[in-house]
Amino acid sequence: AQRVTQPEKLLSVFKGAPVELKCNYSYSGSPELFWYVQYSRQRLQLLLRHISRESIKGFTADLNKGETSFHLKKPFAQEEDSAMYYCALSGSARQLTFGSGTQLTVLP
Amino acid sequence: GAVVSQHPSWVICKSGTSVKIECRSLDFQATTMFWYRQFPKQSLMLMATSNEGSKATYEQGVEKDKFLINHASLTLSTLTVTSAHPEDSSFYICSANRGRTETQYFGPGTRLLVL
Repeated sequence: AQRVTQPEKLLSVFKGAPVELKCNYSYSGSPELFWYVQYSRQRLQLLLRHISRESIKGFTADLNKGETSFHLKKPFAQEEDSAMYYCALSGSARQLTFGSGTQLTVLP
Repeated sequence: GAVVSQHPSWVICKSGTSVKIECRSLDFQATTMFWYRQFPKQSLMLMATSNEGSKATYEQGVEKDKFLINHASLTLSTLTVTSAHPEDSSFYICSANRGRTETQYFGPGTRLLVL
């Protein structure tokens, strides 16, 4: 069975501060990990995927197979980063399993 | 590219009626589409996987006779909530894979309210 855990339901940081949203997963094979973001009143959209190893909007995430983690990081948070962030895992059936989400609020 | 649309965006219906929700991939072909349900302040829960030209695969606990899924073409999947009841009120979201990529592109969602 595949499982994604996001331990923080709510996270608040000040503008300019570093931010890290935690994600741990459980999967027996080689998963593909994603971060999706949902801004207020908008649809869910892909932020980044681990195989791309890219930085989107200043966010990065590294897959740590030893710790089974895929934490999302940004060195300097901006107010426009305030949103709901979901970590998701895709297994062999191409289905996405979502974590419970973390609501990030960046304070001015 | 990779735009997914849903129609309607919201619907209010009486208990006992059926409601059809459409999910379309506008600029790509999607052999696989997914239907999710999201309750307020909760995560997305996968309901079923819709494959073009074949029967949908439902997740455990999802009634296939209650939530009818049809994937008649490579750009359209429909979800019909049959004999809707107030407990079916929720936000229904579809997504589609583009090609062989694992990335799913999401529709804007349909808010269903059953009175």
